Amino acid sequence: AQSVTQLGSHVSVSEGALVLLRCNYSSSVPPYLFWYVQYPNQGLQLLLKYTSAATLVKGINGFEAEFKKSETSFHLTKPSAHMSDAAEYFCAVSPSNDYKLSFGAGTTVTVRA
Amino acid sequence: EAQVTQNPRYLITVTGKKLTVTCSQNMNHEYMSWYRQDPGLGLRQIYYSMNVEVTDKGDVPEGYKVSRKEKRNFPLILESPSPNQTSLYFCASSTQGLPPLFFGPGTRLTVT
Repeated sequence: AQSVTQLGSHVSVSEGALVLLRCNYSSSVPPYLFWYVQYPNQGLQLLLKYTSAATLVKGINGFEAEFKKSETSFHLTKPSAHMSDAAEYFCAVSPSNDYKLSFGAGTTVTVRA
Repeated sequence: EAQVTQNPRYLITVTGKKLTVTCSQNMNHEYMSWYRQDPGLGLRQIYYSMNVEVTDKGDVPEGYKVSRKEKRNFPLILESPSPNQTSLYFCASSTQGLPPLFFGPGTRLTVT
């Protein structure tokens, strides 16, 4: 069984400040981990994925995430928030040999000018 | 342009009236899946298909059917919709061995 917990349903940051979105997972096998972004009235886009290679994963739009097995975490960060980063972000987990993806509840990011 | 299309984008219907939401992709992807999105619950997988004539249940398959007769199409069928199926539905596709890469624009369904 696998599950994902995203800590904080809403995060508000100032433009130029660090964005940190927290994700913890539980999985019975070494997982694949993903972050997706959903802009208003759009479908999801894949930001980045971890597939057991490097533990620090770089994605699109300046985002990156670090896989920490000891903490079962896969937190998403961006050093400097931009207004265009306002969106909902979803963490997801999948066993390495399965196409079933389990999503977290999502974190909505607002960026203050 | 690579894309996943869904139709209709918006649908209001009544309890018990059968409906189909279509999903089509133009990337020759083997893998397709359906999700529903509800506030505070994130996305939950309904069904997925790893190739033509190969489908399997996701986490919330009750009340839904799918078919995969052609590689590009993966329709979602609600034989007898109920109000608890009011939701935002997304179709997604990818190549084998990859997570969902392309999502459709979503179908907002309201069942009264």
